Amino acid sequence: DIQMTQSPSTLSASVGDRVTITCRASQSISGWLAWYQQKPGKAPNLMIYKASTLKSGVPSRFSGSGSGTEFTLTISSLQPDDFATYYCQQYSSYWTFGQGTKVEIK
Amino acid sequence: EVQLLESGGGLVQPGGSLRLSCAASGFTFSIYAMTWVRQAPGKGLEWVSGISGDGANTFYADSVKGRFTISRDNSKNTLYLQVNSLRVDDTAVYFCAKVEIDYAWFDYWGQGTLVTVSS
Repeated sequence: DIQMTQSPSTLSASVGDRVTITCRASQSISGWLAWYQQKPGKAPNLMIYKASTLKSGVPSRFSGSGSGTEFTLTISSLQPDDFATYYCQQYSSYWTFGQGTKVEIK
Repeated sequence: EVQLLESGGGLVQPGGSLRLSCAASGFTFSIYAMTWVRQAPGKGLEWVSGISGDGANTFYADSVKGRFTISRDNSKNTLYLQVNSLRVDDTAVYFCAKVEIDYAWFDYWGQGTLVTVSS
C-alpha cells in the first residue's frame, strides 16, 4: 500500500502570508496526486488534481507542484477563507489520503 | 448540477449492521466509478471502498475487507455500502464521492452520513 505523509500537521499563519504544505509518497506516484480543502462540518472540496491542475473556480493563489514522491501545495497570499484543513491524496494505486494539515490563524 | 445525498446512518451496537445509500443526480451515473470515504470524529479522511461504473469491479481498504460490501443500482442512480460486524472504531461520517475518469480524483462529494457504533 502507498502511504502519504503530510507536513506540517498544523500551520499557524496570518492573512497575506505565503504558505507551503508538503506531501510525500512512500513510493513513486508520478503526478497522480490531488489536494482537497475541508472546513469544519463540511465535505472535502477538490482544489487541485494531476499534482498541479487547478479545478475550475479555484483561486489562482493556490498552486501545486511536484512529481514522483514529493509534492507541495502553496497558497501565495493567505486569505481569511483559506483557513481550513488540507489533504493530499494519491490515486496511482487505489486511493490514500495524507493525514491532513490544519491551517490556523496565527 | 451534480448532487450526492447519503442516508442510512445511525446508532448501532457493536457487531451490528447498516446499509448506507447515496442517491446521485446531475450526471450519467453508470459511467463513473464511485467511492466511499469516512472520517472518524476529529480525525482525517480514510478511503473505504470503490466500485466501477458497471459494478463489475470493487475495491476495499484492508480495514473493512470482509465486513463491508459496496454495490450500486444504476437503474436507480444509487450507490450502497453494506456495513456488517461493526466495531467502535468504525464510528465516522461516511461520505460518498464521484470518481473522475479512470479511477482518478474525487470531484464531487456528498454531505456525509454519521454512523455511531456504541453499546
